[in-house]
Amino acid sequence: AQTVTQSQPEMSVQEAETVTLSCTYDTSESDYYLFWYKQPPSRQMILVIRQEAYKQQNATENRFSVNFQKAAKSFSLKISDSQLGDAAMYFCAYRSSTMDSNYQLIWGAGTKLIIKP
Amino acid sequence: EPEVTQTPSHQVTQMGQEVILRCVPISNHLYFYWYRQILGQKVEFLVSFYNNEISEKSEIFDDQFSVERPDGSNFTLKIRSTKLEDSAMYFCASSEISIADEKLFFGSGTQLSVL
Repeated sequence: AQTVTQSQPEMSVQEAETVTLSCTYDTSESDYYLFWYKQPPSRQMILVIRQEAYKQQNATENRFSVNFQKAAKSFSLKISDSQLGDAAMYFCAYRSSTMDSNYQLIWGAGTKLIIKP
Repeated sequence: EPEVTQTPSHQVTQMGQEVILRCVPISNHLYFYWYRQILGQKVEFLVSFYNNEISEKSEIFDDQFSVERPDGSNFTLKIRSTKLEDSAMYFCASSEISIADEKLFFGSGTQLSVL
């Protein structure tokens, strides 16, 4: 069974600086998808970025980028130029590409990101 | 951007009572999901729903749980006889299609407290 591990329960960063949130996962599959979700105080789950395992190129979305290391099964999220609005819980998630799983998401425990003004 | 709406935002109930958590998915979406997050624990998949039937469910989704799409717009999760351990944040999600990298739209969640 697949597992997702976020080893940092909490991280803090100074506004405008860069922070990296770590995520590792375990799977025997070769094709899958990885996601970072943000959960602000409003409690919604908002997709931040996603990565296809078959793509070597790291995904980027504006100030958000990932460092995807397939062999190491690592999927870290880098937030550049941190803003106060980035303060939230961040969840790493894994989704199999096989239909047997019905594409259910498997989640990490989350990292609370604090932005210091 | 379209939103998934969940009501109520907070539900308090007595152990043994039935609760219904309501969700309005995005109108053109066809796939619906329920997840839950017990305080301090990981988000867990409960069930997925397509074409008016359950397509997959987890071990958590036992006989006390049921889902329904009663009127073509609402998607409900019913817990027949609540237990203390059912206290959690319940998230509804929907997607237009069901492929692995399809974007899931989540609601804001319903915090269920069982006393």
